[in-house]
Amino acid sequence: DSGVTQTPKHLITATGQRVTLRCSPRSGDLSVYWYQQSLDQGLQFLIHYYNGEERAKGNILERFSAQQFPDLHSELNLSSLELGDSALYFCASSVRVSPNNEQFFGPGTRLTVL
Amino acid sequence: AQKVTQAQTEISVVEKEDVTLDCVYETRDTTYYLFWYKQPPSGELVFLIRRNSFDEQNEISGRYSWNFQKSTSSFNFTITASQVVDSAVYFCALSDNTDKLIFGTGTRLQVFP
Repeated sequence: DSGVTQTPKHLITATGQRVTLRCSPRSGDLSVYWYQQSLDQGLQFLIHYYNGEERAKGNILERFSAQQFPDLHSELNLSSLELGDSALYFCASSVRVSPNNEQFFGPGTRLTVL
Repeated sequence: AQKVTQAQTEISVVEKEDVTLDCVYETRDTTYYLFWYKQPPSGELVFLIRRNSFDEQNEISGRYSWNFQKSTSSFNFTITASQVVDSAVYFCALSDNTDKLIFGTGTRLQVFP
């Protein structure tokens, strides 16, 4: 158990819908990262927040947005869902911003878009 | 551009065999960090090791060992006396100045009894 929690574990929805994925980092960790794992794209970095501020963006679609709240939990919002958005979404946390810090991953949320 | 290549898509071995998973990386930065993660069938990503670009010492942890060679931009992972519980997908990843992890495509290891 990494100490990072993600809810829900599974999510099934329809095209065009909007969903929210939630992540709680390990106690004391200020950085939260979101990654998408799909069969065709592999594991890809989406976005990084540190202490409430956006730090870096990767291959994140405009239909996707995220935020980190004062209690440090983070939410990833996916809207106008398409079949291709079906994937495993991971949240990871680390103590600080430095790339030297290992990132601890949550169990993931499996999103299925029908 | 930063890139991680894991050329071996899938490896099958019989228990107790040694197996090496290859990882080749590309980066223009002189300071960077390399990682290995394990993804068992249950799906979570488990951190195994971190190595920085200034430390080329090999590392051994139980049955696991890692060989970092800057000259060939490789960071290979060896499992000695493999066990069925080692069956998983293993990812090599690179982190430079940008905080994010750049993952390879993973190597699926199947260990048969």
